[in-house]
Amino acid sequence: GEDVEQSLFLSVREGDSSVINCTYTDSSSTYLYWYKQEPGAGLQLLTYIFSNMDMKQDQRLTVLLNKKDKHLSLRIADTQTGDSAIYFCAKENTGFQKLVFGTGTRLLVSP
Amino acid sequence: SQTIHQWPATLVQPVGSPLSLECTVEGTSNPNLYWYRQAAGRGLQLLFYSVGIGQISSEVPQNLSASRPQDRQFILSSKKLLLSDSGFYLCAWSGAGSGQYEQYFGPGTRLTVT
Repeated sequence: GEDVEQSLFLSVREGDSSVINCTYTDSSSTYLYWYKQEPGAGLQLLTYIFSNMDMKQDQRLTVLLNKKDKHLSLRIADTQTGDSAIYFCAKENTGFQKLVFGTGTRLLVSP
Repeated sequence: SQTIHQWPATLVQPVGSPLSLECTVEGTSNPNLYWYRQAAGRGLQLLFYSVGIGQISSEVPQNLSASRPQDRQFILSSKKLLLSDSGFYLCAWSGAGSGQYEQYFGPGTRLTVT
């Protein structure tokens, strides 16, 4: 089946850049997504990228897609303590109107 | 604008008791609807999804069931809860037939089975 993998944990200092990585096995999807989950809350859609794009920038967020290596990343510039959360990448399960979520990366931002 | 509601927000139930969690969506019609479970500190497990009234697809065999009695209402049920049913339950919706299936999540229900 489809696999979407993420590293479990990332720790950065406030003001630094954070890079959260995601790898996947099936390259047939059209859209890939990044979600943020704060403690005790639902998931919030942060941004998405269409599969024919290499990069998308949205304020402090930069998404990079390497289709050859099946690798997606989310860069957060000038990371703040409020960015501390779990970040999930997700890709469409083509033809099934479902998303396949990664395992989530817990980002901890220290002052 | 679209909103999604879940209730209750928290629930503590004894083993063997029944369960009913409700999810409703406003501001859209004919959405795809999803139920997920998230164990503590873990990823998301898709339990059920629905593309229309009365149409339910089950992803994981378990003692839970789902129903969609109305277009924008999705219910998760169990006749007898197990300890392993404890977790954070999330409902989500996406637009149907748009070719883009980003999902929007409700606030979740935290279920503790004792």
